[in-house]
Amino acid sequence: QVQLQESSPGLVKPSETLSLTCTVSGGSISSYYWSWIRQPPGKGLEWIGHVSYSGTTNYNPSLKSRVTISLDTSKNQFSLNLSSVTAADTAVYYCASRGYGHAYFDYWGQGTLVTVSS
Amino acid sequence: DIQMTQSPSSLSASVGDRVTITCRASQSISSYLNWYQQKPGKAPKLLIYAESSLQSGVPSRFSGSGSGTDFTLIISSLHPEDFATYYCQQSYSPPYIFGQGTKLEIK
Repeated sequence: QVQLQESSPGLVKPSETLSLTCTVSGGSISSYYWSWIRQPPGKGLEWIGHVSYSGTTNYNPSLKSRVTISLDTSKNQFSLNLSSVTAADTAVYYCASRGYGHAYFDYWGQGTLVTVSS
Repeated sequence: DIQMTQSPSSLSASVGDRVTITCRASQSISSYLNWYQQKPGKAPKLLIYAESSLQSGVPSRFSGSGSGTDFTLIISSLHPEDFATYYCQQSYSPPYIFGQGTKLEIK
C-alpha cells in the first residue's frame, strides 16, 4: 500500500517561495506519476501539476509561470516549489499519485495547510 | 481547459435514500471521469474511476455512469458515513479539472 506524507512549512511570507516535499513509502517513485493538488479553505480542489517517473512535468497553465515539481529518487520524494506567493495561495496542499492510464488519483497524503501571511 | 460543472451544489437526504449527483463536462471527455468523496479535514478518497469502475474497497452502493459530457454518481441507499462532499474530475487532458463539489447533508 502506497503512503504519502507532505512536509509542513506552515507559514510563508508574501512574495516568497512555498516549498513542500512529499515522502513516498510502500512504493517506488520511479514508477507512476506524482501530483500536487491544493484546496483553499472552504473551496474546491485545484490540480497544480505532476512529475512523471521519468522526470517529465506537466503544470496547470494558471500556475505554470510560478511552479516547479521535481523528483528525488534517492530519497523517494518529490517536491513542489511555488514562487511569488500571495494570500490567494493559502490552501491545504495534497500530494497524490496516479497510474499510467486514466489520470485518477488513487493515493493521497493527509494534506498540509500552508498560510501565506506576513 | 475542460470545465466541469456539478449539480446540485448541495443536497439534503435521509439515511436509506437513493441519491444522484450529476457532472457535466464542457466538451466530450469519453469515459475519462472520476469521482471522489471528501470528509471534513480529510483528503479526498477515490470512489469511481473511468466513469464506472469501482475503486477497490468502495461499497457497491456507489455506482457511476455516463459518457461524453454527462455523468452521474448514484448512491443506491445512503448510509450515515456517506454524508460528505463529492467531486468529479476529468482525466481526459491536463489540466485535470475538478467539479466544484456537491455537499451531501443529512435531512
